[in-house]
Amino acid sequence: GQQLNQSPQSMFIQEGEDVSMNCTSSSIFNTWLWYKQDPGEGPVLLIALYKAGELTSNGRLTAQFGITRKDSFLNISASIPSDVGIYFCAGQPTGGFKTIFGAGTRLFVKA
Amino acid sequence: DSGVTQTPKHLITATGQRVTLRCSPRSGDLSVYWYQQSLDQGLQFLIQYYNGEERAKGNILERFSAQQFPDLHSELNLSSLELGDSALYFCASSPIGGNAEKLFFGSGTQLSVL
Repeated sequence: GQQLNQSPQSMFIQEGEDVSMNCTSSSIFNTWLWYKQDPGEGPVLLIALYKAGELTSNGRLTAQFGITRKDSFLNISASIPSDVGIYFCAGQPTGGFKTIFGAGTRLFVKA
Repeated sequence: DSGVTQTPKHLITATGQRVTLRCSPRSGDLSVYWYQQSLDQGLQFLIQYYNGEERAKGNILERFSAQQFPDLHSELNLSSLELGDSALYFCASSPIGGNAEKLFFGSGTQLSVL
């Protein structure tokens, strides 16, 4: 079936550093979504992308919809301790109803 | 608060038993999705309902079933439980039936099978 490859699996960074993570697929996606999950909670939507090449920001977060429509990137600038959590990419492939999630990137921020 | 309500928050049961997880979507949302998250795993899509009808099916075991009622709440039934069924089960809802787009997640039900 269709899969998303999300990398890296985990990141250990120092407070104030910038972070970059990405997601790739073998299929073309119509929509890319980025979620954050705090411990014991459900994922919360951070950014939604709808067009190839689209670049969208939400505070210190910036995400891009790759021009090939097969990848997406999420950058976090000047990380802070509350950025800790699991970041998931998700997408909906062309012609499908299912939203597919990546395995997640676990972010650890050291103060 | 996402507006999606899941009950119970925690469930502890024994192998071979049957449990029902409940989800109330956000007001006005017609689509309900169920996901399973095992330890250190991503979100595995189980099933989607739209306005009472099954819309898409993922990696849902035959021992699992779900339904969406006329008031749009949904239940996920897990039977003949095995140790490996222990996981966080999330319900999500969205306002759009055809395109999943923005999913809003509940806080999940933590199922422990002993």
